[in-house]
Amino acid sequence: GAVVSQHPSRVICKSGTSVKIECRSLDFQATTMFWYRQFPKQSLMLMATSNEGSKATYEQGVEKDKFLINHASLTLSTLTVTSAHPEDSSFYICSAGTPFGGYNEQFFGPGTRLTVL
Amino acid sequence: DQQVKQNSPSLSVQEGRISILNCDYTNSMFDYFLWYKKYPAEGPTFLISISSIKDKNEDGRFTVFLNKSAKHLSLHIVPSQPGDSAVYFCAASANTGFQKLVFGTGTRLLVSP
Repeated sequence: GAVVSQHPSRVICKSGTSVKIECRSLDFQATTMFWYRQFPKQSLMLMATSNEGSKATYEQGVEKDKFLINHASLTLSTLTVTSAHPEDSSFYICSAGTPFGGYNEQFFGPGTRLTVL
Repeated sequence: DQQVKQNSPSLSVQEGRISILNCDYTNSMFDYFLWYKKYPAEGPTFLISISSIKDKNEDGRFTVFLNKSAKHLSLHIVPSQPGDSAVYFCAASANTGFQKLVFGTGTRLLVSP
């Protein structure tokens, strides 16, 4: 199956700093990438949909100025958590939509564990 | 408002027996449903999906059943294996947004030898 990578896998930062998370589709071109957040024992919540070359579409309640998303190429999307605070600590997962097969599946990255002190 | 619900947070099954994981949804616009398997600190892995025009889809040991009138789907794993132990998420899509998925809260399956 298609492979999606994320970097870093784990990051610890001080409150007030910014953190960038990269999501790459390694063996296919992803016109659409998605960013999710998962709190402990909760569901994956979609934060935003990222289309290559255009602005991301954010879900209701997600601050677009705090969670900056850039999808500069067909294989790379980045999520920057600006001025991070302890409540931003979470597991962030990206996924990429594949244009082949006609199925509505997404391939997920391994996730990034963000801890804000 | 949780549009996709998995009411059982955990399920324990013996190896070789059937595992049945349930999922309910409230949004009648959903027309595509998926099951994902997730290990700790990893992203979900796609398992099986079903379109709303079907009521059953089978792939090896995994079968998904859809009851549209009840807004209910289930995943059957037969026979269950210890390697199946993971958290299982059901997800739904309305197809109005390309691949925009709404996830349930997950069910932790433990298959004991």
